[in-house]
This record gives sequence, C-alpha cells and structure tokens, in this order.
Amino acid sequence: KNEVEQSPQNLTAQEGEFITINCSYSVGISALHWLQQHPGGGIVSLFMLSSGKKKHGRLIATINIQEKHSSLHITASHPRDSAVYICAVRGTASKLTFGTGTRLQVTL
Amino acid sequence: GAGVSQSPSNKVTEKGKDVELRCDPISGHTALYWYRQRLGQGLEFLIYFQGNSAPDKSGLPSDRFSAERTGESVSTLTIQRTQQEDSAVYLCASSLMPAGGQDTQYFGPGTRLTVL
Repeated sequence: KNEVEQSPQNLTAQEGEFITINCSYSVGISALHWLQQHPGGGIVSLFMLSSGKKKHGRLIATINIQEKHSSLHITASHPRDSAVYICAVRGTASKLTFGTGTRLQVTL
Repeated sequence: GAGVSQSPSNKVTEKGKDVELRCDPISGHTALYWYRQRLGQGLEFLIYFQGNSAPDKSGLPSDRFSAERTGESVSTLTIQRTQQEDSAVYLCASSLMPAGGQDTQYFGPGTRLTVL
C-alpha cells in the first residue's frame, strides 16, 4: 500500500462543476502539499497546510490530521483547471512523498 | 532570476555515457531538492540539500547517481554510465526555509533525459 493514496485517478468534469480530489496518507506528517502539474510538465505549488483549511481564489484545501485525510476542492471549474493534481506529504524528514496524482479534464 | 532554472531542458544520450544536470535555485533559498518523474509515473524524491550539505540522500537509486551543491547556489546531478531506465524528467525545487520549517517548494521546469 502506498503511503499516499489519491482518488480518483482520473476525473472528467463539465465547466462550472464543483470538483473534489481526495488524499489519504498512512504516516505521521508535518505538512501536506497540493501541487498542480500542467500538461507541459511545469509544477506549481498550490497549498501547504498542516491543519484546518486554506483558500486561494476558486481553490480550497482542507486537512483532517486525526483522519489522515485531505481534500482539494475547485469551485466553478474551468477548462484551464485541466491538469494533474498531486498530493505530497512531509514527515519528520525533509523529503516529500508523493501520491500518483489525479488527472483532471474540464470540458466546455 | 525570478524562478528556479534547470539546464539543459532536454538531453538525449547513449546508454553508458555520463550526464550532468544543472539546477539554479531561487537566490537566497537554502534548501534544494531533486526529484525524478518517469513517464506515466509519480514524482520520486532523490536528494535534499541544506546549504551545500546533503542530509538526505535516501532517494538516490544507485551509486551511479551523485549530486553536489556549491554553497547555497547551483546544484548538479550527475548520472554515470546511464541506463535506459534512467530516462525521466528530473525536477529541481528550492525553498527558503531550512528543514522542519513550513516552506513552499518552487519547482523548476525540469530536464527531460532520454537514454537510447
């Protein structure tokens, strides 16, 4: 079993839909990251959180430390949100352990 | 520069040759990370630098892989006697704060390595 599991692996949505991507992890962590990888390969850090909830524009990330679970929500989705969304966790060491990603396709 | 830069952007080499990949982190960032992403797979951690020391090399897949960093600036990842399974995108990231701090990692565009 991977230390970081994401679901779904693939997601297709219509423009305007509310999207949720889930991440579960099995180890103790100091922080959880959500990353976005564009079709061209570039990676952008969206959020880093260790508790509670963060919001940036149409993106919301939540984490429940007790349940070892985080969600990334996208409100009013748009085709430009199409990308791979990656959950990564950091334990006591400095390295990140990554989930396999969720491929999101938003259509008109 | 404004962001993390990597060079070359693409590298094609023959099996058995050595390659050097370069990463220029954001100025002032003390932490530097190397990751690998094979085709269709997730990101894998390779090595982490704090300044010019590497407290975590646990992700290096074999002794053919090595990395060094000059001060708090450029880092090079060297792969000796390349194999076809080394083909991947090699990503570098840097962050401002030392280990244990809550820091955002800024990623470079990657170097796509193809071993024929």
